[in-house]
Amino acid sequence: RKEVEQDPGPFNVPEGATVAFNCTYSNSASQSFFWYRQDCRKEPKLLMSVYSSGNEDGRFTAQLNRASQYISLLIRDSKLSDSATYLCVVNRGDYKLSFGAGTTVTVRA
Amino acid sequence: SQTIHQWPATLVQPVGSPLSLECTVEGTSNPNLYWYRQAAGRGLQLLFYSVGIGQISSEVPQNLSASRPQDRQFILSSKKLLLSDSGFYLCAWSAALEQYFGPGTRLTVT
Repeated sequence: RKEVEQDPGPFNVPEGATVAFNCTYSNSASQSFFWYRQDCRKEPKLLMSVYSSGNEDGRFTAQLNRASQYISLLIRDSKLSDSATYLCVVNRGDYKLSFGAGTTVTVRA
Repeated sequence: SQTIHQWPATLVQPVGSPLSLECTVEGTSNPNLYWYRQAAGRGLQLLFYSVGIGQISSEVPQNLSASRPQDRQFILSSKKLLLSDSGFYLCAWSAALEQYFGPGTRLTVT
């Protein structure tokens, strides 16, 4: 089983819509979780850190369910600029991270 | 503020040739440093990480090596490239748990 699994998508949504997707992780001892955003042929950039049950940053909400070992990301009022691949990332311990393969979101006008 | 540099941005190398990719970090001291590879359509694979000068840990066996000659410099090398070494190479630094990536080097081995 992969350490971090994500639905690859793509999720195609119109501007202004809400889109949500999940990621599951296998290591129940993981304590820290992150969402990164990666644009085509660019480096990943940190979007949000998720240290407790979840947090919100503007239009983005991340939730953590430790019992079921999944993390979700919700994007409200989608913008064209939200089109990207979203990487779910789990701390493995010893300062190492495990990356999911990413969920692609395309926002259309 | 911290910045991370990688060069070159793109590289086309023949099979069997050597490789040297460099990464430098500014604005922080004693960072943890990481080399990742991302193959087309795949997730990031951790290749090496370093917690200090001369301290290198390898995650996967391969024909690549890494060195950290200075606190904020991390180098990825190979003596002989394979076709399977093609990919997007990313350097990252961290001071805590979050990692921050450089712009990457896109390597094509022909």
